[in-house]
Amino acid sequence: KQEVTQIPAALSVPEGENLVLNCSFTDSAIYNLQWFRQDPGKGLTSLLLIQSSQREQTSGRLNASLDKSSGRSTLYIAASQPGDSATYLCAVSSPQGGSEKLVFGKGTKLTVNP
Amino acid sequence: NAGVTQTPKFQVLKTGQSMTLQCAQDMNHEYMSWYRQDPGMGLRLIHYSVGAGITDQGEVPNGYNVSRSTTEDFPLRLLSAAPSQTSVYFCASRRDRRSTDTQYFGPGTRLTVL
Repeated sequence: KQEVTQIPAALSVPEGENLVLNCSFTDSAIYNLQWFRQDPGKGLTSLLLIQSSQREQTSGRLNASLDKSSGRSTLYIAASQPGDSATYLCAVSSPQGGSEKLVFGKGTKLTVNP
Repeated sequence: NAGVTQTPKFQVLKTGQSMTLQCAQDMNHEYMSWYRQDPGMGLRLIHYSVGAGITDQGEVPNGYNVSRSTTEDFPLRLLSAAPSQTSVYFCASRRDRRSTDTQYFGPGTRLTVL
């Protein structure tokens, strides 16, 4: 059974700092891994999607890496801003019974202080 | 495009009442799904559909029914609400069942069952 863990559960940093969020998963047989952002009381917004054959994806100040063999992914945020404050969720797409299942981590709540 | 829309945004029910959570998407996506999000539990898949007329159970389907008569709509029905169904419900869609696609999430419905 695929399990996804995100560490830390919460993180508070000063504005301008570079930071890394971690995601680990137990089964390396994955289709892809996605990072989402969730603002309080809102839905999820997809940030980056990394296919199982890829090692990283970049979008603006965000860079996500994937090491499938070790079951790890990191989300790097450069020059953090107060507007980056949100909960960041990692989700792994894995095969299940001839279909596909998306398993989410519990998230890292990020606070960027001005 | 409005993306994925959900109604209502908030709902309070009494134990035993029934209701339908509405979800619609205007992106002509084949794949739609329902998740619930509970504190400390992450997002869990309730039901999903790979196309009109086709639905299947996810991780936590008990107490919920779904149907998919059109591509656009995927309602979630609670037949007899229980306090354990107090949660935030998210509907999501993606282009098709291929695992390489990004999922788009609705804004959520906050349900309280008294």
